[in-house]
Amino acid sequence: GAVVSQHPSRVICKSGTSVKIECRSLDFQATTMFWYRQFPKQSLMLMATSNEGSKATYEQGVEKDKFLINHASLTLSTLTVTSAHPEDSSFYICSATGPLAGGVLQETQYFGPGTRLLVL
Amino acid sequence: AQSVTQLGSHVSVSEGALVLLRCNYSSSVPPYLFWYVQYPNQGLQLLLKYTSAATLVKGINGFEAEFKKSETSFHLTKPSAHMSDAAEYFCAVRSPDSGGSNYKLTFGKGTLLTVNP
Repeated sequence: GAVVSQHPSRVICKSGTSVKIECRSLDFQATTMFWYRQFPKQSLMLMATSNEGSKATYEQGVEKDKFLINHASLTLSTLTVTSAHPEDSSFYICSATGPLAGGVLQETQYFGPGTRLLVL
Repeated sequence: AQSVTQLGSHVSVSEGALVLLRCNYSSSVPPYLFWYVQYPNQGLQLLLKYTSAATLVKGINGFEAEFKKSETSFHLTKPSAHMSDAAEYFCAVRSPDSGGSNYKLTFGKGTLLTVNP
């Protein structure tokens, strides 16, 4: 159980275009999803937290107008990189968590396989 | 504020040797602690977690970790390394309180494990 998928696994786009990345929880209801960015040989940097049906909460320094996050259902969150530029090239990883019985948020985040974005 | 320090960005062991990856944390309350493994070009897979139950936690692939409050440590060990263990390992911490933004994970910088034949 607790499987998270991401699509696409890798994408190459031209500078100035927008790219949408999907994150899905396959076998549980993900009330909260997280989006991370990872640079080569570095740790994960949290970009934003999204709760289903609410606006995402962005970390300091992350441009909310550039990285649009939508979490419209309990199984799907999307990250759209708008007007992508080469400096946006990175590995983007989502994670998800959901409630245990009784509504308490479980302690574990389950991660997707990541999306490699290359902007030319 | 919470923080995680992983001592050694790169650990190299021989196949069959003991694996020891170090993680120290800083937290104002006993935290939840996690070890994740990342293979090249993949996401993170949960190895094991400590959530205030038994201090010695067993995970997948023969890994285990021991929570030591006095040392603020949560080191990851495996008695005998296998070639397939070569990967990046991340230690992470979060507050046990689920309110507000306490569910956020704080990651260490990672330790790359290489296993030599």
